[in-house]
Amino acid sequence: KAGVTQTPRYLIKTRGQQVTLSCSPISGHRSVSWYQQTPGQGLQFLFEYFSETQRNKGNFPGRFSGRQFSNSRSEMNVSTLELGDSALYLCASSFTGTGGEKLFFGSGTQLSVL
Amino acid sequence: AQTVTQSQPEMSVQEAETVTLSCTYDTSENNYYLFWYKQPPSRQMILVIRQEAYKQQNATENRFSVNFQKAAKSFSLKISDSQLGDTAMYFCAFIHVNNAGNMLTFGGGTRLMVKP
Repeated sequence: KAGVTQTPRYLIKTRGQQVTLSCSPISGHRSVSWYQQTPGQGLQFLFEYFSETQRNKGNFPGRFSGRQFSNSRSEMNVSTLELGDSALYLCASSFTGTGGEKLFFGSGTQLSVL
Repeated sequence: AQTVTQSQPEMSVQEAETVTLSCTYDTSENNYYLFWYKQPPSRQMILVIRQEAYKQQNATENRFSVNFQKAAKSFSLKISDSQLGDTAMYFCAFIHVNNAGNMLTFGGGTRLMVKP
């Protein structure tokens, strides 16, 4: 069974640009959540999607958005990139996304904003 | 809002020895789950162990066990017979049992180095 796949692995952008990251969950998983990891702020929850609906959202500005497709694949988009958006973006999937369920993480996308 | 604190930024242990990583949390909720995740250099977060707050018995997974003290809001991880492959960042995490949406709250992490 394939794991959670995130593409691309690395990305370099400049300030003001926008970026789209992709996450393919484990087959059968309908919940996809996104986390931002930085040395200063640690791991922070961005948002979660289940059956194409956003159910939960962390404390991030509106420049951060996401969506989920009918096949459960998810994308997150960051517009008007800032230097502080440089981070490792992790995606995780699970069957239903209910509290306590085991999460399976991808290897992340390392975004560098210059 | 809940918070998770890991007071040991870095730790080291000799191979085959035992090490304990500390974690404290703060919540007003009564029903929740606690986790320890491992993040090796590959960056992929891997679940090490999970504890349900309503269960008094401490969770164990092979060489990994926890000491869950609900009243003290403490959740430490003990790694026995440490192996070189245990070298990684370890994160303690919390989620409310009724949370729909995988909104985990993570601690700041402990970097563990296992020395040969």
